[in-house]
Amino acid sequence: DGGITQSPKYLFRKEGQNVTLSCEQNLNHDAMYWYRQDPGQGLRLIYYSQIVNDFQKGDIAEGYSVSREKKESFPLTVTSAQKNPTAFYLCASSAVSYEQYFGPGTRLTVT
Amino acid sequence: GQQLNQSPQSMFIQEGEDVSMNCTSSSIFNTWLWYKQDPGEGPVLLIALYKAGELTSNGRLTAQFGITRKDSFLNISASIPSDVGIYFCALIQGAQKLVFGQGTRLTINP
Repeated sequence: DGGITQSPKYLFRKEGQNVTLSCEQNLNHDAMYWYRQDPGQGLRLIYYSQIVNDFQKGDIAEGYSVSREKKESFPLTVTSAQKNPTAFYLCASSAVSYEQYFGPGTRLTVT
Repeated sequence: GQQLNQSPQSMFIQEGEDVSMNCTSSSIFNTWLWYKQDPGEGPVLLIALYKAGELTSNGRLTAQFGITRKDSFLNISASIPSDVGIYFCALIQGAQKLVFGQGTRLTINP
């Protein structure tokens, strides 16, 4: 079955700790994206990658880091520098058609 | 940045009613996408529009790309309980970046 997987579904961390969210796709898509969604809000772009070993900052990249060592994987690290990390994080991928397909999301709670 | 206005913010309707929502942008774009998000899940792509004036259907859903290229609407006919969720419009803004509207939350009374 082709698709995008994100794990875990729920994640809890203490303030001051870095945490890495996983995103894997087997759609053979070149581009991958990370979005953040806050309650009652739309999605905001954190980072995106159009090709392996290359990525660009989105609109709200501060306090986040990514890597793209493999085509299938685009992990997101939420660092302790992110001032308000509690949110719903969504990963997406796309081929050249620009239509982005989303994973099921990871809800991160930092206390 | 790009201004994308989606309305209404929420809708409360009876099962069987038709629904209409729309999005407007401050600039001209070449692609409109419509997504639906169920609670606690990722958005699912419903319809993609690539040409001004294009009218596309997906079952009970119909979407149109405005002739001015600055707006789009989504209609749902004969709503059913599983239509409940949040509907987002989105634009592609250079380098495949999506800009999302704020969403329309649809609630259906049986």
